[in-house]
Amino acid sequence: EAQVTQNPRYLITVTGKKLTVTCSQNMNHEYMSWYRQDPGLGLRQIYYSMNVEVTDKGDVPEGYKVSRKEKRNFPLILESPSPNQTSLYFCASSFSSNYGYTFGSGTRLTVV
Amino acid sequence: QKEVEQNSGPLSVPEGAIASLNCTYSDRGSQSFFWYRQYSGKSPELIMFIYSNGDKEDGRFTAQLNKASQYVSLLIRDSQPSDSATYLCAARVPRDYKLSFGAGTTVTVRA
Repeated sequence: EAQVTQNPRYLITVTGKKLTVTCSQNMNHEYMSWYRQDPGLGLRQIYYSMNVEVTDKGDVPEGYKVSRKEKRNFPLILESPSPNQTSLYFCASSFSSNYGYTFGSGTRLTVV
Repeated sequence: QKEVEQNSGPLSVPEGAIASLNCTYSDRGSQSFFWYRQYSGKSPELIMFIYSNGDKEDGRFTAQLNKASQYVSLLIRDSQPSDSATYLCAARVPRDYKLSFGAGTTVTVRA
């Protein structure tokens, strides 16, 4: 089944403790992206990647890192999480720039 | 100014009626436009995309694009209770490889 897989689905962590949210797609898509979704603010792009080793900042990149060492994987790293990063995170992938994204199931992160 | 703006709603329509959702975008370089449906607690699901001016129909859904007015709309005909969800409009600017979303319009279909 074609899909974008994120893990974990739910995560509660403490301020400052480094964490990684994994994302993997099995559709051989070139483009991958991370979004966060907050009430009233909608989906905001954190980082995106056009191909292996090619990444760029989205609208809200502060406090996040990404890497694209393999085409299928695009992990999101929070080096020192803070409470304002409590949010619902989505990973997404796309075949090309003219196609819409396919989204993963989401990761609900709570930083206390 | 937000890149993509939508009426936040909520929009309540009776079963069988037409739901009309509107979206405007600010970047004239936007070339691809998408409508996603998101049920509560779920991930966004792509339901329509449109690239050219005019109408595009897919089942009960019709997307309309007017690039001169920088306006995109979605019509849902014969609305069903299962159409109750938040609908997200998105625009893509190829040079930025970025997909920008509106905040979404929540639709409730009354049985």
